[in-house]
Amino acid sequence: DAGITQSPRHKVTETGTPVTLRCHQTENHRYMYWYRQDPGHGLRLIHYSYGVKDTDKGEVSDGYSVSRSKTEDFLLTLESATSSQTSVYFCAIRIQLNTEAFFGQGTRLTVV
Amino acid sequence: GIQVEQSPPDLILQEGANSTLRCNFSDSVNNLQWFHQNPWGQLINLFYIPSGTKQNGRLSATTVATERYSLLYISSSQTTDSGVYFCAPHGSSNTGKLIFGQGTTLQVKP
Repeated sequence: DAGITQSPRHKVTETGTPVTLRCHQTENHRYMYWYRQDPGHGLRLIHYSYGVKDTDKGEVSDGYSVSRSKTEDFLLTLESATSSQTSVYFCAIRIQLNTEAFFGQGTRLTVV
Repeated sequence: GIQVEQSPPDLILQEGANSTLRCNFSDSVNNLQWFHQNPWGQLINLFYIPSGTKQNGRLSATTVATERYSLLYISSSQTTDSGVYFCAPHGSSNTGKLIFGQGTTLQVKP
């Protein structure tokens, strides 16, 4: 257990509503990542953080924003959810660059 | 960016058989991880292996970074080995992000 908790685990929301997913870690890891997993695409990076208030975009960042106001929490926000954002979202943590990354259990989001 | 290709895309084995999964990547990498995604969707760490060979029970992995590939060996397969196996190199950038291949879907039949 790498001490990662994602919440909620499942969510159904309506198109156009805002949604926030939370990733919480108890390991004091510096690096945190949000990925999405879709059939036929594997896992793709949305945003990542390399410290408190330090974040940057990944390859599929459009429509998403993130915040990290404290080490243990990394929030992913969909400002106005669309059906194309229906996916499974995974959070990952890494203590330093050349160390192993660990993943949370995922959040299944359905936008109807 | 780095391209990752895994083969085969799908594999069906009889329980007890051995198999080799391959991961090719297009550029130099600092490190590489193998994951198993079980049927419940959980991503389980198998190996962190930037180079060389590691073994963990019935599983072993070899990465030859200079030739840009990694192999995952599964011996005496069991039904619990079923799922998707992902190779994820970490590029040489300073982000630590993992680049995932499409995965190999393994089904082990009893």
